[in-house]
Amino acid sequence: AQKVTQAQTEISVVEKEDVTLDCVYETRDTTYYLFWYKQPPSGELVFLIRRNSFDEQNEISGRYSWNFQKSTSSFNFTITASQVVDSAVYFCALSGGGYNKLIFGAGTRLAVHP
Amino acid sequence: DTGVSQNPRHKITKRGQNVTFRCDPISEHNRLYWYRQTLGQGPEFLTYFQNEAQLEKSRLLSDRFSAERPKGSFSTLEIQRTEQGDSAMYLCASSFDTLANYGYTFGSGTRLTVV
Repeated sequence: AQKVTQAQTEISVVEKEDVTLDCVYETRDTTYYLFWYKQPPSGELVFLIRRNSFDEQNEISGRYSWNFQKSTSSFNFTITASQVVDSAVYFCALSGGGYNKLIFGAGTRLAVHP
Repeated sequence: DTGVSQNPRHKITKRGQNVTFRCDPISEHNRLYWYRQTLGQGPEFLTYFQNEAQLEKSRLLSDRFSAERPKGSFSTLEIQRTEQGDSAMYLCASSFDTLANYGYTFGSGTRLTVV
């Protein structure tokens, strides 16, 4: 069975703090894809990153960075120097179950205070 | 074509009524997905179309739910005899066939409240 666990339900930080959102996944597939999505209060899911199971290279995009470790089945997301606009619910998702449907975690609500 | 469009954005209905939601995907995308998101949870897969063919349905999709994509373009999701447990955000997403693992484009969703 495939499963995504985001153990942190809510995180509250003050602006400019760094914050890491954890994601642990389970799958028996050898080829799979991992995603992070952002859901602001407007409700739309915004795609942030995709990583395939053969690419463990970490990625940095501006203030965002992702750490993929197959050995621990984790795909963590770090926001450096957080801003109020980063406040949203962040979802980690896994794909590999045929037709590329996504299995989402329960999400982590991030609140960044001025 | 700026993205995936869903209508209506909000729907309030009385228990027992039927409701229908519409999704217009990005025009070049041949794959279309429906997801349901309840409060405090991540989206859950409901069903998937490739062109006009419905290729997979989740066990979450009870007999009261039906989805269509008649011409391989827009899709509708109908819920018959709504129950309070159907209250949720219904999300539509679309993607290219061969690029599906590059991430879908999601719509803003239809929020259903059953009273």
